[in-house]
Amino acid sequence: GAGVSQSPSNKVTEKGKDVELRCDPISGHTALYWYRQSLGQGLEFLIYFQGNSAPDKSGLPSDRFSAERTGGSVSTLTIQRTQQEDSAVYLCASSSAPGPQPQHFGDGTRLSIL
Amino acid sequence: KNQVEQSPQSLIILEGKNCTLQCNYTVSPFSNLRWYKQDTGRGPVSLTIMTFSENTKSNGRYTATLDADTKQSSLHITASQLSDSASYICVVSGRAGGSYIPTFGRGTSLIVHP
Repeated sequence: GAGVSQSPSNKVTEKGKDVELRCDPISGHTALYWYRQSLGQGLEFLIYFQGNSAPDKSGLPSDRFSAERTGGSVSTLTIQRTQQEDSAVYLCASSSAPGPQPQHFGDGTRLSIL
Repeated sequence: KNQVEQSPQSLIILEGKNCTLQCNYTVSPFSNLRWYKQDTGRGPVSLTIMTFSENTKSNGRYTATLDADTKQSSLHITASQLSDSASYICVVSGRAGGSYIPTFGRGTSLIVHP
């Protein structure tokens, strides 16, 4: 597609359930980022994929969070045993290369934990 | 600790007027600084990207400046339009090995009134 696509756009689930969020980056983009935006807060870096290199997971808040990127394209962010504080908008971005290149964002998945 | 501070937190101006948003940072080592526009419910859209050697960058009615010595940046919006109403986010990336990890400011919420 023309831009970064994220699904679902909204997700409501009960505390303790696992959730999977999907990101389809722009075709050919080698760099992919996941961020979290909580209400009234700035975006928070979660994880970064670059090509076939090992991902930078330094932003993941706990071991309940994990992410994969299959075939250098689609990425899935998984949150296990969700907690209410996980409620936020999860944004994905891709860029053609690391460094000072424009990052193209999807419109995010709004996750609400009941 | 890497930090990005933006001011003002919110700003209301009349259509047609100019305004300037500020960004101070303490990210090291510095790689690049970006300004994004984020409309409500959408992902951020890149306005400008500046590296260490650049001190000004324009994109239409948006002009960003960078003073790497004082670690300050500004975003100037000329002849504001109603569609400029959005959150403006300053993002500073530092380089750690092969990773470019961004630190986000909390944004300035701009409202343009007719």
